[in-house]
Amino acid sequence: GAGVSQTPSNKVTEKGKYVELRCDPISGHTALYWYRQSLGQGPEFLIYFQGTGAADDSGLPNDRFFAVRPEGSVSTLKIQRTERGDSAVYLCASSLGLGSEQYFGPGTRLTVT
Amino acid sequence: AQKITQTQPGMFVQEKEAVTLDCTYDTSDQSYGLFWYKQPSSGEMIFLIYQGSYDEQNATEGRYSLNFQKARKSANLVISASQLGDSAMYFCAMRERTGGYQKVTFGTGTKLQVIP
Repeated sequence: GAGVSQTPSNKVTEKGKYVELRCDPISGHTALYWYRQSLGQGPEFLIYFQGTGAADDSGLPNDRFFAVRPEGSVSTLKIQRTERGDSAVYLCASSLGLGSEQYFGPGTRLTVT
Repeated sequence: AQKITQTQPGMFVQEKEAVTLDCTYDTSDQSYGLFWYKQPSSGEMIFLIYQGSYDEQNATEGRYSLNFQKARKSANLVISASQLGDSAMYFCAMRERTGGYQKVTFGTGTKLQVIP
């Protein structure tokens, strides 16, 4: 079946602009995660959803970052007033539920100029 | 303290040989899970193998096995009969109960290059 998909695959934006990154999880997966991966580093946890609610958003770096999952499926990560330090690959993952393996999407490479 | 430590930034292995990628972890939880992921140059994270802290036997998945030494808090990945397609970044990760059993912490990775 289809895996986790993310759009766009690449996004270049100017400093100060607003961006939205989309994640479409595997059908039937109730848990959805966002990670950020900087060059040469492992993925860093940002937020995870169980259904429609954000169960843990402790990894969001500041209030410029926000994520939603209104219908318990597709999720959007929103970044306001982007900064050059936000440049990274943003990875989305989904899992069947608590304690299950996470399956990752291909990521969105965000570049803030 | 780092929760996941991968001390080998890069490794080389001859094709068809076995290779061990090191991983040590730090947790005060009794219940936790350990993972290895492969990340090729395409960027996608591919799940390889999982070991639960209460699993008595080392996990195996095809050519991958996890050498779990609980007392030493190590979870090394062993790849047998290396193939050229194994060249990639490899990340060790841990899921802890105190993180609600959902937050996964990754190490910094090891870049494996398989030499023909």
